This record gives sequence, structure tokens and C-alpha cells, in this order.
Amino acid sequence: AQTVTQSQPEMSVQEAETVTLSCTYDTSESDYYLFWYKQPPSRQMILVIRQEAYKQQNATENRFSVNFQKAAKSFSLKISDSQLGDAAMYFCAYRSHNSGGSNYKLTFGKGTLLTVNP
Amino acid sequence: GAGVSQSPSNKVTEKGKDVELRCDPISGHTALYWYRQSLGQGLEFLIYFQGNSAPDKSGLPSDRFSAERTGGSVSTLTIQRTQQEDSAVYLCASSLVGGGAGPTQYFGPGTRLTVL
Repeated sequence: AQTVTQSQPEMSVQEAETVTLSCTYDTSESDYYLFWYKQPPSRQMILVIRQEAYKQQNATENRFSVNFQKAAKSFSLKISDSQLGDAAMYFCAYRSHNSGGSNYKLTFGKGTLLTVNP
Repeated sequence: GAGVSQSPSNKVTEKGKDVELRCDPISGHTALYWYRQSLGQGLEFLIYFQGNSAPDKSGLPSDRFSAERTGGSVSTLTIQRTQQEDSAVYLCASSLVGGGAGPTQYFGPGTRLTVL
């Protein structure tokens, strides 16, 4: 079974600064997907960024980018120019590329609570 | 377009009562998932529906939990004889199946269930 570990329960960053959230995972599969989701107090889980394991290039979405190290099974999220609206719980998630049944489920880490200080 | 919707937003019930939670997925999404988010257990997969196929119920914690999906769209999660440990936020997600954007799951706002 796959596991996802987020070792930082809480992080804080000054507005306009850069912060990196860590995520490691364990899997025996060679092809899979990795995601970062953001959950503000409204509870709505919002997709931040997605990475396909077969792609060597790191995914980027505006101020958000990842550092995907497949051999190390590491998938960190970098937020540049942090904004007050970035404050939320951030979850790292894994999904198998295999088809069928619970292979489609997301396996989540415990989350990192990000505070942005003005 | 409209996202995933869930109702009710909040539900307070007494121990032993049955509750029904509803999820309306994004139009055209054939896959639907239920997850539970609790302080102690984090985010846990409950059940997965794909089209008209038999659902994958491998994440349901007990036989008090059941779910159905009517007409390949709206889903209802039912918890019978609720217990205090059922208190959690129940999240629904939907996705296309297949390549491209298929694997990305889009979540609803959740239902917060409180069992007194």
C-alpha cells in the first residue's frame, strides 16, 4: 500500500516571501500521479498542482511549482511571492496510474497548515 | 461550469439516528468518490463509483455505511445508527476517467456531520 508523509504539521511565511512544503511518499509502482491540494477554512479542497510521474519536467502553475525527485520519492511544493490568500491547509496526495477499483483513490498526507504573516 | 455540490453543509444528529448525505458531481464526470476527513484519521477513502459498474466499497468502515448512485449522477451516502466516532467532514469528489485530465479529482465543499 502506498503512504504519503508530510513532515511539517505547520509552516509560516511572510507575505511576498517564498516557502517550501515537503512531501515524501512510498510506492512500489513506477507510474502514478501526485497532487497538491489546498483546503482553506471554507473546507473546499482546491487543486493546486499535479505531476505525472513519467514526466521529468517539474510542474508549475503561476506562483506554485514542485520539485519532483522520483528516485528519492519526494514531491515538494514551492510557493513564491506568498499572499494572504495562500493561508490554508495543504495536502499532498498520491494516485496510482493502474486502472480499476481503489487504484483510483487518492492517498493523502496528514497536511501542512500554512500561515501567511502580513 | 458548476462544481461538485454537497448537501447539507452541516448536519447535527443524535446517536443512533440515520443520516443521508448527498453529492451532485460535475456534469459529465463518470467517476465519483466519497472521503471522510476526521481529526484523528485524516482523509480516508470510503467508496468509488464508475459509471454503471459495481462500486468499490473497500474503504467503508462498517456495514452501517452504504452509498448509492442513481442514474450515474447524484450519490447518497447513508450512515445508519450513527455513532459519535462518525463525526467528521464527508467530502465528495468527481473526475473524468481516462488519460489527460482524467485522474484529477474535483471536490465539493463537504458535509460536516456532528453526532451528539
